[in-house]
Amino acid sequence: EPEVTQTPSHQVTQMGQEVILRCVPISNHLYFYWYRQILGQKVEFLVSFYNNEISEKSEIFDDQFSVERPDGSNFTLKIRSTKLEDSAMYFCASSAGQVLSGANVLTFGAGSRLTVL
Amino acid sequence: GESVGLHLPTLSVQEGDNSIINCAYSNSASDYFIWYKQESGKGPQFIIDIRSNMDKRQGQRVTVLLNKTVKHLSLQIAATQPGDSAVYFCAEREYGGSQGNLIFGKGTKLSVKP
Repeated sequence: EPEVTQTPSHQVTQMGQEVILRCVPISNHLYFYWYRQILGQKVEFLVSFYNNEISEKSEIFDDQFSVERPDGSNFTLKIRSTKLEDSAMYFCASSAGQVLSGANVLTFGAGSRLTVL
Repeated sequence: GESVGLHLPTLSVQEGDNSIINCAYSNSASDYFIWYKQESGKGPQFIIDIRSNMDKRQGQRVTVLLNKTVKHLSLQIAATQPGDSAVYFCAEREYGGSQGNLIFGKGTKLSVKP
């Protein structure tokens, strides 16, 4: 079964450092997303991406965050200068189409755990 | 408001029994709802979805019920198995909202006793 893969599975970084989290969405999917989950809390939407541009972003996705699809397979989330409160599990997801029906559901990766010290 | 590290509601059931997990959603304008299962160390996994023009939908061993009057969603799991042990999240999408901007609920931890 096709899956979304994420690397690294866990990254530890110092506050103020830049971090890049990588994702390989399902190959025929056109919509890409990043979500995050702070330990013990809800899964929160960060950003959606379609046709090489951001479709929507949440308040969390401030100027410190950026996304990029550098080639035909990867989708990355960059945090320019990490803060302690950026520590969370970051989930990449993709979908074939707009989320209107079961045929176009979001498929999530296993997540990248970011720990900021 | 929520506290950091708030404990999840937990439902403990015996293997073979039916489970019912409830969710109160927030936005009467939401038109699409999904149940996700999250096992430890993994991402959310799609279980079943329902659109707001329906009040019931069945899948394999799972049924989702939607009551728009009271903004309530439930997930019923028949003959619960140890492999069903996980955290279950409901998610909603606001009508007219862009694709993928799902609002997740707090989650319920299901624990299945053998």
